Amino acid sequence: EAGVTQSPRYAVLQEGQAVSFWCDPISGHDTLYWYQQPRDQGPQLLVYFRDEAVIDNSQLPSDRFSAVRPKGTNSTLKIQSAKQGDTATYLCASSRDKNNQAPLFGEGTRLSVL
Amino acid sequence: GDSVTQTEGLVTLTEGLPVMLNCTYQTIYSNPFLFWYVQHLNESPRLLLKSFTDNKRTEHQGFHATLHKSSSSFHLQKSSAQLSDSALYYCALSDRDSGYNKLTFGKGTVLLVSP
Repeated sequence: EAGVTQSPRYAVLQEGQAVSFWCDPISGHDTLYWYQQPRDQGPQLLVYFRDEAVIDNSQLPSDRFSAVRPKGTNSTLKIQSAKQGDTATYLCASSRDKNNQAPLFGEGTRLSVL
Repeated sequence: GDSVTQTEGLVTLTEGLPVMLNCTYQTIYSNPFLFWYVQHLNESPRLLLKSFTDNKRTEHQGFHATLHKSSSSFHLQKSSAQLSDSALYYCALSDRDSGYNKLTFGKGTVLLVSP
């Protein structure tokens, strides 16, 4: 079974630039989570979906961050105008929560904003 | 809100000694779901253990933990540390009754096993 796939693996930006992260969850997983993991900190939830619906995006900095999952499969997380404080690893996880499964994580995208 | 507290910072052990990483949590959930994830350098978190059953030991890859709701704890243990156990360990919490496993992570504990 293929795992959660994320791309790109790395991104380096100047402040003010835009960037998109892409996530392909495990087939059959209806729930998808995006986490931000700053260096030397634990992952922090940004947004999550059940199928194509956003369940909770209250932790997403809405003025610059957006996330979509239009067909209930792949998802894209976008930062419109990156800031140095956005430097972190962005992790995507998926699960079938109804079956008491634990979220499984992708390899992440490591973002550096200069 | 919910919170998870872990053994802080760095735990150093000699190979062969037992491992004990503490995890306690605070939550309003009546049905908490606890997880341990392990993260090796430059990798993503990988599930190690999970449990929502009170007072039942769960085991995987030589590690074990027991959820104790009375003390809000889910400590990670292993009888004999191996060099390959060196990694960052996260304890995490979700609400099983919500139907979603959005995770609240602790700050993580670095385990360093030396020869």
